Amino acid sequence: TQLLEQSPQFLSIQEGENLTVYCNSSSVFSSLQWYRQEPGEGPVLLVTVVTGGEVKKLKRLTFQFGDARKDSSLHITAAQPGDTGLYLCAGGHSGNTGKLIFGQGTTLQVKP
Amino acid sequence: DAGVIQSPRHEVTEMGQEVTLRCKPISGHNSLFWYRQTMMRGLELLIYFNNNVPIDDSGMPEDRFSAKMPNASFSTLKIQPSEPRDSAVYFCASSLRTAHGLHSPLHFGNGTRLTVT
Repeated sequence: TQLLEQSPQFLSIQEGENLTVYCNSSSVFSSLQWYRQEPGEGPVLLVTVVTGGEVKKLKRLTFQFGDARKDSSLHITAAQPGDTGLYLCAGGHSGNTGKLIFGQGTTLQVKP
Repeated sequence: DAGVIQSPRHEVTEMGQEVTLRCKPISGHNSLFWYRQTMMRGLELLIYFNNNVPIDDSGMPEDRFSAKMPNASFSTLKIQPSEPRDSAVYFCASSLRTAHGLHSPLHFGNGTRLTVT
């Protein structure tokens, strides 16, 4: 069974702090996606990384795919209360059925 | 674009009752996915369809669960009979699979929160 483990599971920080969320697996994925989910809503895609070592930036969010394509990280600079939510990583494979394996998620709370 | 539409948003039922969850994917999308989300297990893929045909139902937990996609714009997930352990948020998602086998990003609905007492 392929698993994606996210850490930490919960994170509560003050506005303005930096944070990093990790997503690790023993399996190789052809792509890795990060989603953000707010209460009462479905996950919304933030980014897809497909190349080992790839780094993508989305405003204050930086996503990195590990060189071996087994792990990924999400770094948020100067977190804001609007960043509060559940962050999910999801791995996919080529041959691409669209089937994704999701991590358990990291619940982030940013306090003003 | 109305996005993926799920109904009902909330469902409370008694153990043993039949439950039907509904999903309307984004128009033009040809792949549809049913996920279940719980605190303990996170997001789990139950079944997915491509061009209305079920491709992989290995995530369906038991025979009590069934899913259909009679046409490109509608799918149902049925639980009969329901049990308390089925309580979860059920999400439907859709995407576009091209002829080259590449998928557009998944678009999720807002889910159905099911409570079985």
